Amino acid sequence: DAGVIQSPRHEVTEMGQEVTLRCKPISGHNSLFWYRQTMMRGLELLIYFNNNVPIDDSGMPEDRFSAKMPNASFSTLKIQPSEPRDSAVYFCASSYASGFGELFFGEGSRLTVL
Amino acid sequence: AQSVSQHNHHVILSEAASLELGCNYSYGGTVNLFWYVQYPGQHLQLLLKYFSGDPLVKGIKGFEAEFIKSKFSFNLRKPSVQWSDTAEYFCAVNAAGGSYIPTFGRGTSLIVHP
Repeated sequence: DAGVIQSPRHEVTEMGQEVTLRCKPISGHNSLFWYRQTMMRGLELLIYFNNNVPIDDSGMPEDRFSAKMPNASFSTLKIQPSEPRDSAVYFCASSYASGFGELFFGEGSRLTVL
Repeated sequence: AQSVSQHNHHVILSEAASLELGCNYSYGGTVNLFWYVQYPGQHLQLLLKYFSGDPLVKGIKGFEAEFIKSKFSFNLRKPSVQWSDTAEYFCAVNAAGGSYIPTFGRGTSLIVHP
């Protein structure tokens, strides 16, 4: 089975540009998480979806960040406008209903904002 | 809300040395516990998990962890490390029967010298 698929793997952009990160969760999983990983702050939960509905977005840094999950097989994380402090690795993870919260992570999207 | 503390931020060992990484959590209810590993440049992968039953859990690659409820701890152990164990190790906890949103520790960086 394919795992969690993220794209792009690497993104280099200039400050002020819009960035869209994409995630395809594992088929049959009903929960999806977006995490951000930096050296300074470690692994931070940005937002959590259950059955395509955003349940907890308290980790979203500010209004520049938005996330959507239009269907069970696709989610996006958008940053507009991007800033250098957004540079990080963004991970998407999914889990299934009877999995007790075990997460399956994607390979991550490494974002560099110049 | 639960929190997770990993006491060792950086650990350096020689091959064949024994390993123990500490993990303590704060939550008064029943929990599910996880250790994830992140090899250099890769995504997080599950190492082992505890939901219920025998508090000594065995995972992949010779790792094991012991859940001590009275100490709110879930320490990770390996009797003899290898160079290939060089990685970042994350402890995670969620509230059993709840939303299963995991809380991660800050991680422990392990470097094993050959």
